[in-house]
Amino acid sequence: AQSVSQHNHHVILSEAASLELGCNYSYGGTVNLFWYVQYPGQHLQLLLKYFSGDPLVKGIKGFEAEFIKSKFSFNLRKPSVQWSDTAEYFCAVNPISNTDKLIFGTGTRLQVFP
Amino acid sequence: DSGVTQTPKHLITATGQRVTLRCSPRSGDLSVYWYQQSLDQGLQFLIHYYNGEERAKGNILERFSAQQFPDLHSELNLSSLELGDSALYFCASSIDLTDTQYFGPGTRLTVL
Repeated sequence: AQSVSQHNHHVILSEAASLELGCNYSYGGTVNLFWYVQYPGQHLQLLLKYFSGDPLVKGIKGFEAEFIKSKFSFNLRKPSVQWSDTAEYFCAVNPISNTDKLIFGTGTRLQVFP
Repeated sequence: DSGVTQTPKHLITATGQRVTLRCSPRSGDLSVYWYQQSLDQGLQFLIHYYNGEERAKGNILERFSAQQFPDLHSELNLSSLELGDSALYFCASSIDLTDTQYFGPGTRLTVL
């Protein structure tokens, strides 16, 4: 079955630290890839997406992600986190052959301390 | 603000009852998706409608149903509610079948 794994369930960082959140998916075909963020008490917001082209994609708020096809990975990075980045981060995959749904990972809770 | 609206924001009801959740997609979007977010199951796809037609079903219980109306708003009907149905229900919309999905603020359902 198609699935998305986010191995970091809870990450705690100090401000200015660098961030990398892992995302791996299991699907052999072509996929669209997304990172969504959910701030406390709010809805899911799109951080960035990859459909095709340059595998290094830049999103909002200084986030970027790199698609490595051979590793089935789409890791999220930010060089220097801020307290306001405290949120839950979800990786999601949309198989091209079945674009009816997003398959979400279990999410990573990020806490940033000043 | 994604442009997707959902009502109500909160809903508290009792077991065995029936509720209706409403979603209005972004202007111009033809696709509406429903997701359930719970602590134990995470974010799960329920159902997808495109331009009024049901396109796909995910992990949706038989007690749940949905429809998309000619004005493209959608309703999710949950009946014979159980304690385990307590969750956040999100609606998302996209322009067509392959575009990015934008999420609404969600409806928090509490079944007592």
